[in-house]
Amino acid sequence: DIQMTQSPSSLSASVGDRVTISCRASQNIDTYLNWYQHKPGKAPQLLIYGASSLQIGVPSRFSGSGSETNFTLTITSLQPEDFATYYCQQSYIIPPWTFGQGTKVDIK
Amino acid sequence: EVQLVQSAAEVKKPGEALRISCKGSGYGFTSYWISWVRQMPGEGLEWMGQIDSSDSYTKYNPSLQGHVTISVDKSISTAYLQWSSLQASDTAIYYCARTTYTGRNSGNLYYFDNWGQGTLVTVSS
Repeated sequence: DIQMTQSPSSLSASVGDRVTISCRASQNIDTYLNWYQHKPGKAPQLLIYGASSLQIGVPSRFSGSGSETNFTLTITSLQPEDFATYYCQQSYIIPPWTFGQGTKVDIK
Repeated sequence: EVQLVQSAAEVKKPGEALRISCKGSGYGFTSYWISWVRQMPGEGLEWMGQIDSSDSYTKYNPSLQGHVTISVDKSISTAYLQWSSLQASDTAIYYCARTTYTGRNSGNLYYFDNWGQGTLVTVSS
């Protein structure tokens, strides 16, 4: 299986901060990398697909970059509604598709 | 509007059988796969498997294969996840997700673009 490792596992930030979350794959996955936001009690939401393509309806403050084994999700100006857990997910090899362990973003 | 509506929360005893459902609407149901993803208490997301809604072809996470069964009834646009004998370790929130793709020269890129609201399954004696 391809292992996905996110860092940090959690972070505290303030509204308006720039936030960066990293995701590392255990092998080259090209740009077969997606990012999701998950809030407690809610359905996960797709943010970014293909490492850098913004899903329709997602605010432009979210962006993704990277290729091969190293990827980044950036939130340029954190908003109150952005406090959530973020997951990366590889779709290079199936089965199984694998998620990172998640990065929880909470209020400082 | 694309919607995936899941069945209600369940409380079961170890050894009991269970089937939960996910009904799609607002799109061509048979044009997409449906995946099931679980979140165990305090843990992250784990892909369990998927089904092609048009022909019922399934793929499973090898770590789970044999313990769960994914099926579909395309006549009512509904996918199912079922257990024949639940274990306490099956306690989790289960999400269904529509699986879509973007064509690429190097092979299709798949991602989960719409999700159900989740079904909490509690297994306890």
